[in-house]
Formats: sequence, C-alpha cells, structure tokens
Amino acid sequence: AQSVTQLDSHVSVSEGTPVLLRCNYSSSYSPSLFWYVQHPNKGLQLLLKYTSAATLVKGINGFEAEFKKSETSFHLTKPSAHMSDAAEYFCVVSETGGGNKLTFGTGTQLKVEL
Amino acid sequence: DTGVSQDPRHKITKRGQNVTFRCDPISEHNRLYWYRQTLGQGPEFLTYFQNEAQLEKSRLLSDRFSAERPKGSFSTLEIQRTEQGDSAMYLCASSRTGNTIYFGEGSWLTVV
Repeated sequence: AQSVTQLDSHVSVSEGTPVLLRCNYSSSYSPSLFWYVQHPNKGLQLLLKYTSAATLVKGINGFEAEFKKSETSFHLTKPSAHMSDAAEYFCVVSETGGGNKLTFGTGTQLKVEL
Repeated sequence: DTGVSQDPRHKITKRGQNVTFRCDPISEHNRLYWYRQTLGQGPEFLTYFQNEAQLEKSRLLSDRFSAERPKGSFSTLEIQRTEQGDSAMYLCASSRTGNTIYFGEGSWLTVV
C-alpha cells in the first residue's frame, strides 16, 4: 500500500525567507510523487510532479522538490516566500504513473507573515 | 481547456434527503475521478471512470453512494439518505490516461 506523511501540519515563515515543507512516502513500487496546493475555497492546483526522470523537480511559482529514494522523502522548497504562497499544501503519491488513484497526505498549512 | 466544472458548489440538505452532484470534466479527458475531503484532512479517493466504465470503487463508497458517467462525458455522484457524516467537500477531477490529474473547485455538502 502507498502512503505519504507530511511531517508538519502548520508552517509559518516570514515573507522573503525560505520555505521547507516536508514529506515522506511509502510505496511498494516506483512511485510518482506530486505536490498540490489548495487556496481557500479553491480547487487543487498541481505545483509539480516527479515521475522517475530528474530527481530535482521544478514547478510553478518558484517551487521545487527533490526526490530522495534513500530517505523516502520528497520535500518541497522555495527560496523566498511570498504572501500569495499562503495556502494548504498536499504531498501526493501514485503508484501507477499518476493515472490512477492518488493518495494524499493530511496537508501542511503554510502561513506567510510580513 | 475550460477546466473541470462542478455543480452545485454548495448544498445544504436535511438528513435523510438525497443529493446529486454533477461534474463536467475537461473535454477529451477519458478519466474522471471523485474524491471526498473533510475538514483538516487530505482528499480521499472514492471512485474513477475510464470513459463510461467505473473501474475502481473505494470501500469508503457505501451503498448509499452511486456514481455514473453514462456517455463517458459528465458524471453524477448521488448520495441517498444523507447522514451528518456525509458533510464534506466532494472533488471531481479528470485526466487523459497516465497524464496529470486536474481538479475542480469542489462541491461543499452540509447535512443538517
């Protein structure tokens, strides 16, 4: 069975400082991994995805994530936070190339302060 | 792409009533998914269709829930005899086989 664990339910950063949202995964097969963002009262938007190509994945809005098989991690980072980054972030795993069932983590609420 | 469209966006219903949600996927997307999200949790998979065929159903989908995609385009999710525990956001998503899954903005259900 596949699963993801988001290690922090809430993260607070100051505008202009780096963001780190942590995610560990468990999968029986080679996983596809994703980060989705959800702004209040909005749908889920794909930030980036890893599908067994380059281990450092660049996404939208300056976000990137690194797949580390030895650590079973897929942490999301951004060099400099912006107020508009405040949202809920979900780490997601799929075992079948992303075409089938997605398993979501419980989410990390990112707060960005002035 | 016009995006995945869901209707209604919000529904308040009395316990025991039936409700139906509609989802219009991105055109030419052959796969359509339903997820449920409760407050403070990540979305949970309910079911998915490839064209008109329902290929997988979660054990979360009790016999009060039924989903259809009769012509392989739009889909409906019906909940019969609603219970307070059904209160959640119901998310629809679509994709081409093996490609990125795109989500709609969800349909909020409140059962009172």
